[in-house]
Amino acid sequence: DIQMTQSPSSLSASVGDRVTITCRASQGISNFLAWYQQKPGKVPKLLIYAASTLQSGVPSRFSGSGYGTDFTLTISSLQPEDVATYYCQRYNSACTFGQGTKVEIK
Amino acid sequence: QVQLVESGGGVVQPGWSLRLSCAASGFTFNRHGMHWVRQAPGKGLEWVAVIGDDEKTQYYADSVKGRFIISRDNSRNTLNLQMNSPRPDDTAVYYCAREAEHFNWYFDLWGRGTLVTVSS
Repeated sequence: DIQMTQSPSSLSASVGDRVTITCRASQGISNFLAWYQQKPGKVPKLLIYAASTLQSGVPSRFSGSGYGTDFTLTISSLQPEDVATYYCQRYNSACTFGQGTKVEIK
Repeated sequence: QVQLVESGGGVVQPGWSLRLSCAASGFTFNRHGMHWVRQAPGKGLEWVAVIGDDEKTQYYADSVKGRFIISRDNSRNTLNLQMNSPRPDDTAVYYCAREAEHFNWYFDLWGRGTLVTVSS
């Protein structure tokens, strides 16, 4: 089974910082990769699919890249409302989530 | 209003049964595969099961295979999850989620979830 590993598990950054979260698949998954944001006590929200396609309504400071086994989610300028846990998810022939990355404001 | 609303959660004893439901509204339900995803308290997301728009095609996570049954009624815009022989490690918030794109299992609409606690 394909495993999804995110790093770091948590991070603390200042408002305005550029934040990068990495997701690595144990086998190649082409671009079948999505990213979700889950704010405390809330439901997961789709941010990006197909590794780099921004879901409608998601702020442009969020971006995704990668192909095969290595993927990144970037927040170009961290905002207070971005405090959340972020999950990657592969969806080629099955569905597996990464363990999550908790983002906090320093 | 486009939404998914889960119901049926609660406390269930190990080995008993529980049926979760998810009511869909505001979109063409029979055009989307539907999934259950769960989240144990303080933990990450775990995919549970999927049923195709045809009401027949089903796949399950190994952790629930043979115990849980996913079903849907397109005439009533309803998704179900029959939880048989639940175990304490099935304790979680259960979300129903809509498949955004045919045969691509990423989710653009989530319900608010229903909490299932398996405990004696």
